[in-house]
Amino acid sequence: DTQMTQSPSSVSASVGDTVTITCRASQYSSNWVAWYQQKPGTAPKLLIYAASSLQSGVPSRFNGSGSGTDFSLTITSLQPEDFATYYCQQVNGVVSFGGGTRVE
Amino acid sequence: EVQLVQSGGEVKKPGESLKISCQTSGYNFDRSWIGWVRQMPGQGLEWMGLIFPSDSETRFSPSFQGQVTISADRSVSTVYLHWSSLKASDTATYYCVRSKRVTTYPFDYWGQGTRVTVSS
Repeated sequence: DTQMTQSPSSVSASVGDTVTITCRASQYSSNWVAWYQQKPGTAPKLLIYAASSLQSGVPSRFNGSGSGTDFSLTITSLQPEDFATYYCQQVNGVVSFGGGTRVE
Repeated sequence: EVQLVQSGGEVKKPGESLKISCQTSGYNFDRSWIGWVRQMPGQGLEWMGLIFPSDSETRFSPSFQGQVTISADRSVSTVYLHWSSLKASDTATYYCVRSKRVTTYPFDYWGQGTRVTVSS
């Protein structure tokens, strides 16, 4: 099964900053990677699918990239509502999630 | 509007059985997969399994195969997650999720979560 190694586990940032989170798959995953945002006490929300496609309604400051085994999520001009935990997910076969990155 | 509405929180004792539910609306129930994701307290997300309500085909993560069952009732567009004998380690929040395909597709809609507490 494919494991997703996500880094960093946490990042300290300020409003207006650019934050990049990375995920490395243990096996080739083509572009079958998604990214989710989770705020405390709420369900995760889909941000990016197929590595770089923006889910409807998600602000364009969220950008996904990568293919094969290396993927990243970049948040430009960080907003107050973006402080949350982010997870990558690979959906090429047995689904697995990265360990999460807390943006604080 | 697609909605996944889960049953309320549960407090159970070890060894007891439990079935939690996820009632769906706003899309063709037979044409998408519904699955479950576990989140233990303070931890990350773990995919458990999926069901295709049209024919009740199921797929499970190896970590959860044989530990839980997933079923669907097409008459009420509802999917269930069932434990026959709970353990303290089953304490977690469980989310139901929708996916249009069994693989190569993300979880585009999520339920609000059901908190399960197992304690003697």
